[in-house]
Amino acid sequence: EDKVVQSPLSLVVHEGDTVTLNCSYEVTNFRSLLWYKQEKKAPTFLFMLTSSGIEKKSGRLSSILDKKELFSILNITATQTGDSAVYLCAVNYGGSQGNLIFGKGTKLSVKP
Amino acid sequence: EADIYQTPRYLVIGTGKKITLECSQTMGHDKMYWYQQDPGMELHLIHYSYGVNSTEKGDLSSESTVSRIRTEHFPLTLESARPSHTSQYLCASSDYIHGEKLFFGSGTQLSVL
Repeated sequence: EDKVVQSPLSLVVHEGDTVTLNCSYEVTNFRSLLWYKQEKKAPTFLFMLTSSGIEKKSGRLSSILDKKELFSILNITATQTGDSAVYLCAVNYGGSQGNLIFGKGTKLSVKP
Repeated sequence: EADIYQTPRYLVIGTGKKITLECSQTMGHDKMYWYQQDPGMELHLIHYSYGVNSTEKGDLSSESTVSRIRTEHFPLTLESARPSHTSQYLCASSDYIHGEKLFFGSGTQLSVL
């Protein structure tokens, strides 16, 4: 059965800390892995990774994919209170394009 | 500004009522989706559409129905709401080139009493 597992499920840090969020997957016909940030209700797109070992970076956030070991990490450096959110990992498993399997998310709380 | 809109944001309704959750997008996207999310749980795909007059059921079985008469509009209907339908419903859209890069609406939190 296809699945996406995220860890930890929740995390509390202080401003300025660096955090690493994990996402492992077992899917057939892997096409891509995506990270979303969910504040309040609407998830917003962060990264899409398709190739192993190539880091995607946007400001203090970065992500990398390991297709051999079937996992991805999302790093956030110098965390700010505005980074508090649920971070969702999703995998496009082929099938109909755009159909994603989501993990349960990691709830990140950044304390001042 | 291009965006995706969901109404209402919150809905509390009694058992047996018919409800329609609205979703509209001005992104010019052909693909649209409905996801269901319970607290602390994964998003599950319940319906999707690749264009006008195209609708498909997703991975999670749902008693709801959808229609796609116009490109920008993808409403979801429950003919007879039940407490088990209580959940958050998220609408999303994407284009054909990057189909997995979804743009989400703000969601509708449905509570059926």
